[in-house]
Amino acid sequence: GDSVTQMEGPVTLSEEAFLTINCTYTATGYPSLFWYVQYPGEGLQLLLKATKADDKGSNKGFEATYRKETTSFHLEKGSVQVSDSAVYFCALRSRDTGRRALTFGSGTRLQVQP
Amino acid sequence: DAEITQSPRHKITETGRQVTLACHQTWNHNNMFWYRQDLGHGLRLIHYSYGVQDTNKGEVSDGYSVSRSNTEDLPLTLESAASSQTSVYFCASSGSGSSTDTQYFGPGTRLTVL
Repeated sequence: GDSVTQMEGPVTLSEEAFLTINCTYTATGYPSLFWYVQYPGEGLQLLLKATKADDKGSNKGFEATYRKETTSFHLEKGSVQVSDSAVYFCALRSRDTGRRALTFGSGTRLQVQP
Repeated sequence: DAEITQSPRHKITETGRQVTLACHQTWNHNNMFWYRQDLGHGLRLIHYSYGVQDTNKGEVSDGYSVSRSNTEDLPLTLESAASSQTSVYFCASSGSGSSTDTQYFGPGTRLTVL
């Protein structure tokens, strides 16, 4: 079945540091890939997505590239801010099966210190 | 603005009681989902619906039920609450066609079963 594996946290960085959160997946065919962000006390919000190989999703300075050859979708940001402190979830939707629900990774907590 | 709401936001109940969590969306989306969030597991799919009168079991459906009598609402019922069902519950919805990929999440319900 489908699965998503992401690096365990928490990840603690200083402001303006470079961020990478690793995500790899197992899925049938060509899934759509997503990063969602959850701020404290809130629901999940879509951060970015990519729907085919070599696509780069980007939003709010975050980027992730769909790498089919390595089945990865790593999240990166060049300079993090305190306001980026949140839990980040990698997810996929396997389009080949007609499934509309998402399969999530376990989440990575990011803490950015001033 | 369209939104998705959940109620109550917090609930404490006792083992064996029936509990219903409400989910209401004004996006006019056909697809609705219930997930539970537990530390170390990310979000796991409980039930989902692709339209009125359509309901389906997800990966962790035991002890839960849903009904879909209109487009806007998908209430989640715990038939006989158990301590293992202590969790944070999220409702989500998505549209059709190319909009299927983007899911919109409610703020969550924190349920404690004593």
